[in-house]
Amino acid sequence: KAGVTQTPRYLIKTRGQQVTLSCSPISGHRSVSWYQQTPGQGLQFLFEYFSETQRNKGNFPGRFSGRQFSNSRSEMNVSTLELGDSALYLCASSLQQNTEAFFGQGTRLTVV
Amino acid sequence: QKEVEQNSGPLSVPEGAIASLNCTYSDRGSQSFFWYRQYSGKSPELIMFIYSNGDKEDGRFTAQLNKASQYVSLLIRDSQPSDSATYLCAVIVRRGADGLTFGKGTHLIIQP
Repeated sequence: KAGVTQTPRYLIKTRGQQVTLSCSPISGHRSVSWYQQTPGQGLQFLFEYFSETQRNKGNFPGRFSGRQFSNSRSEMNVSTLELGDSALYLCASSLQQNTEAFFGQGTRLTVV
Repeated sequence: QKEVEQNSGPLSVPEGAIASLNCTYSDRGSQSFFWYRQYSGKSPELIMFIYSNGDKEDGRFTAQLNKASQYVSLLIRDSQPSDSATYLCAVIVRRGADGLTFGKGTHLIIQP
């Protein structure tokens, strides 16, 4: 059974640009959550999607957005990139909301 | 007040001994509790989850939950060098709320 797949694995972007990250959940899982991990702040919740609807949102600016498609795949977009957005972005897949979450390998974003 | 707290370590344990990792949480309404293991440069891997008071065992791992005292712990029996990693405690504070709330993690070192 395939795990959670995130693409791309690595990205280097320039300040002011925008970026889109992709996540394919485990087959049959309908909930996808996104997290940002930095050395200083640890793992922080960005948002959760279930049945193509954003169910919860963390304390991040509106530059961070996402969506979920009918096949449960999800994308996350960050606009007007700042240096502080450099982080590991992790996608987690769950069968339902509020159940065990399984992480993908992550996308390492570097903003220069 | 931090919602999920862990001792950052490092916690050094001799090979073959029991490693004990602790986590406290601030919100009494917290519903579900998870332990993740994260190797350096990798994504978090779910190793245990517990929803009810008491102990839950899976192989060498035992999760313990005490809701009255608001703590959850992870015991690793017969510790192996391969158990050396950062262990993250995560909590679902409330259903429908902000996804997983993570502690900063405890760095565990198993000494051969």
